[in-house]
Amino acid sequence: ILNVEQSPQSLHVQEGDSTNFTCSFPSSNFYALHWYRWETAKSPEALFVMTLNGDEKKKGRISATLNTKEGYSYLYIKGSQPEDSATYLCAFNTGGFKTIFGAGTRLFVKA
Amino acid sequence: EPEVTQTPSHQVTQMGQEVILRCVPISNHLYFYWYRQILGQKVEFLVSFYNNEISEKSEIFDDQFSVERPDGSNFTLKIRSTKLEDSAMYFCASSEIPGQISGGYTFGSGTRLTVV
Repeated sequence: ILNVEQSPQSLHVQEGDSTNFTCSFPSSNFYALHWYRWETAKSPEALFVMTLNGDEKKKGRISATLNTKEGYSYLYIKGSQPEDSATYLCAFNTGGFKTIFGAGTRLFVKA
Repeated sequence: EPEVTQTPSHQVTQMGQEVILRCVPISNHLYFYWYRQILGQKVEFLVSFYNNEISEKSEIFDDQFSVERPDGSNFTLKIRSTKLEDSAMYFCASSEIPGQISGGYTFGSGTRLTVV
């Protein structure tokens, strides 16, 4: 059974702190790794799709890295702001249409 | 910005009743998906749909479930005889090319199904 694990489950930081969280996935049969940002009462919003080992992607203050050999991806947020408060989901794909989601990391940024 | 629209936002139904959850994907998208999240659990893949047929489905998507694209715009998920354990948030998603290699999926805001 393919499983995607995210840690920590939740994170409380102060405004201005930089933070990171981890997504672990099976290192075999890797095709793509997605990161989504999910605010309460809204729909998940795609942040990154990563496919190559060593990939680094950046969108504003948010960046992500990928290590497919060891099966992990990190998401970094530099200088967290209250509006970054959300659940960050990662999702793993083996090349078919099915994508397997982690349980998410819930980030709370206090002003 | 184009959106995936889901209706209703919340549906309450009696156990054993049929429900139809409706989605209007983004107009130029060709790939359509249903996911669900039972409260407190992970988002789970149900089914993907392309070219008027199911392209992949999960073990959750049994004979109780069916999907249809009845016209050029709607994409529906039908649950024939609902069970208490079908209570969940159901998300529709679409993508222009397979979401796993494009910029990901565009999700709707979900339908919360409560089976009583």
